Order: sequence, then structure tokens, then C-alpha cells
Amino acid sequence: DSGVTQTPKHLITATGQRVTLRCSPRSGDLSVYWYQQSLDQGLQFLIQYYNGEERAKGNILERFSAQQFPDLHSELNLSSLELGDSALYFCASSVAAGLEQFFGPGTRLTVL
Amino acid sequence: ELKVEQNPLFLSMQEGKNYTIYCNYSTTSDRLYWYRQDPGKSLESLFVLLSNGAVKQEGRLMASLDTKARLSTLHITAAVHDLSATYFCAVDAYGGATNKLIFGTGTLLAVQP
Repeated sequence: DSGVTQTPKHLITATGQRVTLRCSPRSGDLSVYWYQQSLDQGLQFLIQYYNGEERAKGNILERFSAQQFPDLHSELNLSSLELGDSALYFCASSVAAGLEQFFGPGTRLTVL
Repeated sequence: ELKVEQNPLFLSMQEGKNYTIYCNYSTTSDRLYWYRQDPGKSLESLFVLLSNGAVKQEGRLMASLDTKARLSTLHITAAVHDLSATYFCAVDAYGGATNKLIFGTGTLLAVQP
């Protein structure tokens, strides 16, 4: 158990819908990262937050957004969902940028 | 843009044999990580390599980093079935206060009895 928690574990929804994935970092970690794992794209970095501020963006679609709250938990919002958004979404955290990242259990999103 | 290539993509081994997984990356970085992933599970950190020449060993696995060659290897000694999993290398593309992991494609390791 890495200490990073993610909810929900599984999410099944329909095309065009909007969902929110939640992540709580390890105690004391200020940096939160989101990654997407799919069969065709592999593991891809989406976005990084540090102490509430966005710090780096990867291949994140405009339909996706994220934020980190004052209590350091983070949410990833996915809207206008498409079949291709079906994937495993991981959250990771680290004490500070540039240090080892610890991964949560992931949220498996299925878009029907 | 940093690219990470991992090979082989699939490795079928017999128990007791040795093999090496290779991870090449395209731009300068001295932070490389190896992760293990079991089917449907999260990523488990195996090794953190933070400098040129770093070598770390845990059980039957040994990882090394050559930043000049932009190459990391994960060596498996006397494989056992419990090592069957997918192994990823990830290179830290960092700069200032930002960092992100760029992952290789993964190597699916199947150890046959």
C-alpha cells in the first residue's frame, strides 16, 4: 500500500457524460500527478500540481481538467466522454517535485 | 521531446534462466525508475536510479543506469514464476519545479516452469 488513495475504483458511464476522479496523496506529499494508462497509448502523464498550483501539463485533452485543493487532495474531471477515454487513471504523489512518485491503486473508467 | 524505448516488449523465460530488459531514452536525464505492474493493479516501485553508474539490487533483480549512453538495464537472475508481471522503466523529465515521468512501453515477462 503506497498511502495514495483513489476513488472510485471502478466507474462505468456513457458517452457524453462527465465524471470526477478523486485522489488523496500520501501524508506530507505536496505534489500530485495524474497519469492515464490505455492499451493503445500506454502510460501517459497528464498533469502535475504542487501545493495547489498547476506545474506541468502533458497530453491532457481540453475536455479534461484537474485541480488540487487546500487540503492537497486532487480531482480529475473528464467531460464529454468518448469511448476512447476508457482507461486506467492513476494518481501519484511525491513530497516535492523531482522526488520519487508513489502511485495509487487507480480508477478504471469504462465508457459505453 | 523525451522518448523512452523499452525492449523487448514481451519476454517468455524458463525458470532458472537469466535475462536483461533494456531501456533507452532520448534526452539527458539522471533520474530513472523501474516499476512492476501486475494485471489490473497499480505500479509498484522497484528501483530509483539517480546518478550515472548507479546500480541497485533487490533479490533476483538488478538495475543499472548509464546516463552517458542514456541506457538503463534490468537484469533478472534465475527467474522464478513470481516475477511474472509487466515491468516499466520511467525517465523523469524534470526542470525547475516541474517533473513528469515518461514511461517506456513496458515489458511483459512470463516465467514458465
